[in-house]
Amino acid sequence: NAGVMQNPRHLVRRRGQEARLRCSPVKGHSHVYWYRQLPEEGLKFMVYLQKENIIDESGMPKERFSAEFPKEGPSILRIQQVVRGDSAAYFCASSPRLTGTGVDEQFFGPGTRLTVL
Amino acid sequence: EDKVVQSPLSLVVHEGDTVTLNCSYEVTNFRSLLWYKQEKKAPTFLFMLTSSGIEKKSGRLSSILDKKELFSILNITATQTGDSAVYLCAATSYGQNFVFGPGTRLSVLP
Repeated sequence: NAGVMQNPRHLVRRRGQEARLRCSPVKGHSHVYWYRQLPEEGLKFMVYLQKENIIDESGMPKERFSAEFPKEGPSILRIQQVVRGDSAAYFCASSPRLTGTGVDEQFFGPGTRLTVL
Repeated sequence: EDKVVQSPLSLVVHEGDTVTLNCSYEVTNFRSLLWYKQEKKAPTFLFMLTSSGIEKKSGRLSSILDKKELFSILNITATQTGDSAVYLCAATSYGQNFVFGPGTRLSVLP
């Protein structure tokens, strides 16, 4: 049973480049969440996706950031024209199909540590 | 705006001590409260609480929720150095929103 997989684990980019972070949820999970954790800060919600749909992107910056969760393949968090302030750990979490009573436990991936030089 | 507050933000104790970590929340359409332990990597799940007054236990860890006063506590008894971590509290709503607190950084000294 594979857990949530994220790659790469570490990513270094220069200012102005693009960063692509991948997340493969637990098999059978159709809900994916992305979080950002800045140094010495807690997890900040960015975006919640179901297959092919963005459900809630209220935590994601309006510019340069985008996320998708296609029918086939992993979820992708894309950051265009990265800046130093984007340096952080980005965690992906997945949860099972909704049962009608809300979403409970999330299973977290190991995170991608993005460093912008 | 939904928010979760944790206290203290950091705590240093010695092995064998008992600690209590606090979490208060303000979440619209509250559904459950979750506790996670985060060491150097991803958070790992500890407890999910949905009902007031029912203590959940796992070894030396226990947690309880008070839905009237909108808070939860996480207790760790007989602490060990391996308990050193950041403990995150998160509140969920029926709108599928997860709101995390800033975490309590626990350091257990030998």
